[in-house]
Order: sequence, then structure tokens, then C-alpha cells
Amino acid sequence: GNSVTQMEGPVTLSEEAFLTINCTYTATGYPSLFWYVQYPGEGLQLLLKATKADDKGSNKGFEATYRKETTSFHLEKGSVQVSDSAVYFCALRASGGTSYGKLTFGQGTILTVHP
Amino acid sequence: AAGVIQSPRHLIKEKRETATLKCYPIPRHDTVYWYQQGPGQDPQFLISFYEKMQSDKGSIPDRFSAQQFSDYHSELNMSSLELGDSALYFCASSFPQGNTDTQYFGPGTRLTVL
Repeated sequence: GNSVTQMEGPVTLSEEAFLTINCTYTATGYPSLFWYVQYPGEGLQLLLKATKADDKGSNKGFEATYRKETTSFHLEKGSVQVSDSAVYFCALRASGGTSYGKLTFGQGTILTVHP
Repeated sequence: AAGVIQSPRHLIKEKRETATLKCYPIPRHDTVYWYQQGPGQDPQFLISFYEKMQSDKGSIPDRFSAQQFSDYHSELNMSSLELGDSALYFCASSFPQGNTDTQYFGPGTRLTVL
């Protein structure tokens, strides 16, 4: 079946540090890949997505590139801010041309950024 | 922009009681998904509906049922509640765009079973 594996957390960084959160997946075909962010006490917000190999998703300074050869979708940001502190989930949606594909999530990575 | 609406936001129930969670998708979205997120866990898919028909089913207990109505809102009915049902329940909606459609999540309903 489909699965997503994220790097173990939590991750603690100082403000303006470089961030990488690793994500690898197992799926057949060509899944769509997503990063969602969950701030304390809130729901899941879509951060970025990529729907085919070599696509780069980007938003709010975050980037992730869909690497089919390594089945990875690592999240990066060049300079984190305190406001980026949250839980980050990598997720995939299986391909197949259907419009009702469930998301499979990784276990989440807690990011804490200190001033 | 309009977002997914879930009600109630918080719900406290006793064991063996029933609960009904409601989800109102983004206008023109005809697909609804339900997920359950336990404490410190990743969201787990429960069930989904497309055009008012069940389209997929995940690890949803037999004690739970759900449906999507003609106005596309959805309700998750939970009976014989157990302590382990305490979780954050998310609803997400999407508009079919083939391989590029994106699910937008509501704020969640936090269910506490005592």
C-alpha cells in the first residue's frame, strides 16, 4: 500500500537557520505530493504541492521538489522565522485519474524556532 | 475566500453516547473527506463522498456512519462512543480536477469522550 515516511522530530532551530524536513514515499504510479502545516490548536493548511516528477512546489519561502528517482519530497526553507513553528505533514494522493483520492500522511514533524 | 466549516468545534460526550459532526464544504466542492487525528498522531482517512455517494472507505469503525446530503454538506454519526474515539476530526473538501485536485481542510471538531 501507499505510505509516507518523514524524518523523526522534533526539530529545533534558531531564527534565520536553514530548514530541511525529509519526506520519502512508497506508492505505485505517479502520486501527487503535498506538504500541510498545522499550527497549534488549528486545522491543516496546504503549504505546497507537486503533481508530477520534477515539479517544484513553493509558498511562503518553503520549497519542495518531487523526485521520482529517489521517491522523495523534502521540504526546505532558507531562513526560518519564529512564526514557522508548527507541525509539518507530508502527504500523498494516489494517482489513477479519480477525483476522490484519500490522502496518506506521514507522522508529522514538530518544528520549533527560537528567537 | 470561503473555507470548509465544521461544527461543533468542540464536543464532550460520555461513553456509550452518540455524536454527530457536521461539515460544510467550500461552495462548488462536491467531494468530502473525513479524517481522524488522535493525540500526537497523523490524520487517518475514514471515509469520503463524491456527488453524494460514498467513494472510498478507510479505517472507519462499524459504529460510525456518514452521508453527504443534496447540498453537499456531510455528517459523521458516531454511536456507542468509546474513550479511544477522543480525537480531532477533520473534514476536507475538493473540486475534481483530475490529478491536480487539492483537499482543503476545515478547522476540525475536537471530540472528548469521558
